[in-house]
Amino acid sequence: EVQLVESGGGLVQPGGSLRLSCVVSGFTFSDYWMSWVRQAPGKGLEWIAYIKQDGSAKYVVDSVRGRYTFSRDNAKNSLYLEMNSLSVDDTAMYYCTPSHGTFWGQGTLVTVSS
Amino acid sequence: DVVMIQSPLSLPVTLGQPASISCRSSQSLVHGDANTYLAWFQQRPGQSPRRLLYQVSTRDSGVPDRFSGSGSATDFTLKISRVEAGDVGVYFCMQATHWPFTFGQGTKVEI
Repeated sequence: EVQLVESGGGLVQPGGSLRLSCVVSGFTFSDYWMSWVRQAPGKGLEWIAYIKQDGSAKYVVDSVRGRYTFSRDNAKNSLYLEMNSLSVDDTAMYYCTPSHGTFWGQGTLVTVSS
Repeated sequence: DVVMIQSPLSLPVTLGQPASISCRSSQSLVHGDANTYLAWFQQRPGQSPRRLLYQVSTRDSGVPDRFSGSGSATDFTLKISRVEAGDVGVYFCMQATHWPFTFGQGTKVEI
């Protein structure tokens, strides 16, 4: 059974930082490009990053470039997102997903508020 | 960025009747490898998205054949042949041909 478990979300003040993790099982993690997608409350979906199997290539959307750092550890079947300089506009549910959205976890909620 | 425009944004449906959602892109979605990376996602209330179709018309595993996709280049359609109660939710088209990948605004399907 495929599982993606995102964690690390929570309440953080503007300007703060958070580190999200995504642990996967049920498919060969190292075979897939992996992505982070976010969804602000009551809003649509935004694809924010696309990371190659070995991490050697990363496509990052302009709205987070320079503030977010994306990485993966294939030995741990894990994907990471380091978020810095957070603003209220970063408030969203964050999902990890392989390839072009093949499977989805439950997401982890990041709330940026003072 | 490629803009994806869906219509309608709200779709009242009748159980057992067909339904159709349109998605138009601001650029051709034909990739250099000749594939067209257009997908459809369903998001039921309170749930994560679920992909229904990829590369325009290929159904994901477990997706009923009531769902079908068609189209080419910049003009695409999702059809539900007979709407069931469990189809209520928001449907998104998404293009993965050009970076950044982008979604349509979503179409809310309600009974």
